Amino acid sequence: QSALTQPASVSGSPGQSITISCTGTSSDVGGYNYVAWYQHHPGRAPKLIIYDVTKRPSGASNRFSGSKSGNTASLTISGLQAEDEADYYCSSYTSSVTLVFGGGTKLTVL
Amino acid sequence: EVQLVESGGGLVQPGGSLRLSCATSGISFSTYDMHWVRQGTGKGLEWVAAIGTVHDTYYSGSVKGRFTISRENAESSLYLQMNSLRAEDTAVYYCVTEGRSSNWNDWFFDVWGRGTLVTVSS
Repeated sequence: QSALTQPASVSGSPGQSITISCTGTSSDVGGYNYVAWYQHHPGRAPKLIIYDVTKRPSGASNRFSGSKSGNTASLTISGLQAEDEADYYCSSYTSSVTLVFGGGTKLTVL
Repeated sequence: EVQLVESGGGLVQPGGSLRLSCATSGISFSTYDMHWVRQGTGKGLEWVAAIGTVHDTYYSGSVKGRFTISRENAESSLYLQMNSLRAEDTAVYYCVTEGRSSNWNDWFFDVWGRGTLVTVSS
């Protein structure tokens, strides 16, 4: 199972919005509404910020939103803040009864 | 407060074995599906294995046949027995709880431990 495809890096200025894409296949992202997104600050445990493509868990900022079109899911972060600088990973359930993560995207807040 | 505390990591030679443990508290452990996720140095997250409440198990292709996930509900603990270890198994291993969903294959992880480092090297 190949990793889902994410851009290696994205950047934005405080207050701006950015979008991170996550591309898979019809056997994972396109086949199920089970895409999740995680924020990972190095040295700390990853944090769930989006699940089931669009849902936010309690405690996650409403500046995070998710969507999906075909085999590509997206995470949008609005009103960028310095604390958003981190690595972001998408994941999806697969038809092989496994889970696959994206390669990760490093967000830099300029 | 929910806590997941991994232990058992360390340095092991290629071909060797190691058993990771995850002690949980603050949750009704027997009612949670549990997973192991790892992250190699400088690499991304990689799903390793899952175990359901009825002890059904699932593995990634890279560890199937070498790793065994298990649970002991009486001890609120999760385990990962790792055999025939390879250099590419070197990683921080995280114990994670699966979020609540009405769908058994809705796999997302809402609580993570701090991880335990496994290094496979001669």
